[in-house]
Amino acid sequence: SQKIEQNSEALNIQEGKTATLTCNYTNYSPAYLQWYRQDPGRGPVFLLLIRENEKEKRKERLKVTFDTTLKQSLFHITASQPADSATYLCALATGGGNKLTFGTGTQLKVEL
Amino acid sequence: DVKVTQSSRYLVKRTGEKVFLECVQDMDHENMFWYRQDPGLGLRLIYFSYDVKMKEKGDIPEGYSVSREKKERFSLILESASTNQTSMYLCASSLPSSLTDTQYFGPGTRLTVL
Repeated sequence: SQKIEQNSEALNIQEGKTATLTCNYTNYSPAYLQWYRQDPGRGPVFLLLIRENEKEKRKERLKVTFDTTLKQSLFHITASQPADSATYLCALATGGGNKLTFGTGTQLKVEL
Repeated sequence: DVKVTQSSRYLVKRTGEKVFLECVQDMDHENMFWYRQDPGLGLRLIYFSYDVKMKEKGDIPEGYSVSREKKERFSLILESASTNQTSMYLCASSLPSSLTDTQYFGPGTRLTVL
């Protein structure tokens, strides 16, 4: 069956360190993969998109990698701050018309 | 900035009631989506629409219907609410995939069915 896996356990890191979140998938061949941030009680907010022919994408302190052979994306936040604390969702393009399938998300907590 | 609004942040209904959840976007987006989000299950697609009066089933359409009479408005209808429909409901919109692939989400409606 098709599956998208994100680490369900919360990730706690110290301020200033690099946070690395993982998204693994099986039985998909997505044209692209997206990462969203979700704060408690709010809707997800788009962060980054990476296409199947791209290995890496950066935006300020964020970096995403996409390995279609391993079927894995890594999401890095460098120099993390307490304001980065949130749940991060990966989403795969799984059909036409922007149809996305989401992972369950990983909660990140950045501590002082 | 794209703005997606949902009619209520919190809603409490009784079993068997007909429930309407409204979503409005102000950016002339063709695509609109309804998801529900539950702990441990993530976001699951209920229905989506590519254009006015068009709709397609998502992964979990049972117990739901939708209406899109105007481009900016996409309604989710629970014909007869049940307790297992207690959830956070999220609406999203996007331009056609030929232009962009980003979805813009509303703030969500937390529905409780008693």
